[in-house]
Amino acid sequence: LAKTTQPISMDSYEGQEVNITCSHNNIATNDYITWYQQFPSQGPRFIIQGYKTKVTNEVASLFIPADRKSSTLSLPRVSLSDTAVYYCLVGDRRTGGFKTIFGAGTRLFVKA
Amino acid sequence: SAVISQKPSRDICQRGTSLTIQCQVDSQVTMMFWYRQQPGQSLTLIATANQGSEATYESGFVIDKFPISRPNLTFSTLTVSNMSPEDSSIYLCSVLYSGSSYNEQFFGPGTRLTVL
Repeated sequence: LAKTTQPISMDSYEGQEVNITCSHNNIATNDYITWYQQFPSQGPRFIIQGYKTKVTNEVASLFIPADRKSSTLSLPRVSLSDTAVYYCLVGDRRTGGFKTIFGAGTRLFVKA
Repeated sequence: SAVISQKPSRDICQRGTSLTIQCQVDSQVTMMFWYRQQPGQSLTLIATANQGSEATYESGFVIDKFPISRPNLTFSTLTVSNMSPEDSSIYLCSVLYSGSSYNEQFFGPGTRLTVL
């Protein structure tokens, strides 16, 4: 399983765009990149998943360069409620071999 | 999507006893996972529990300490046996949903265990 490296923490202000980058140099051909969000006293929640280029949903965007050795989660116009831990994971999404291993995560603090 | 409930939500137990945590899902799922999370730390995968087969444990976790049952596609239990204070943690149940374009894991609210 590919190991991921993320910044331990980040600070931002309300209304700003936040970009969290994750390194995964040993990503395998069949691996997808997934991001989860976790609030205190809750289980993680799926944010977005992608394989290459750019993926966008109603919550965030995920940018993946051609070499796929890193990815960037982009949160537009964050609010105080976006303060959470964000986990980057890589794994084989084929059902039979899928297993989610969590790294250390990035603690995002959004200030007023 | 999937809605997951866990029982108990929290418990305080004495050293040497065992606690069984229940995980109930509102839909049938093939793959279920059990995680442990220490306060302020990331999640650690304990085991993968597929219905109809023995659970697969990660390195550092053994069946005698964390026996798992998976009697059907909507339910699983994790037992923490012969507990010690080092077992104090949050235990989370998770299920895998495989969509056409992505795989997503849903997590339960967790069970906060304190061992005295």
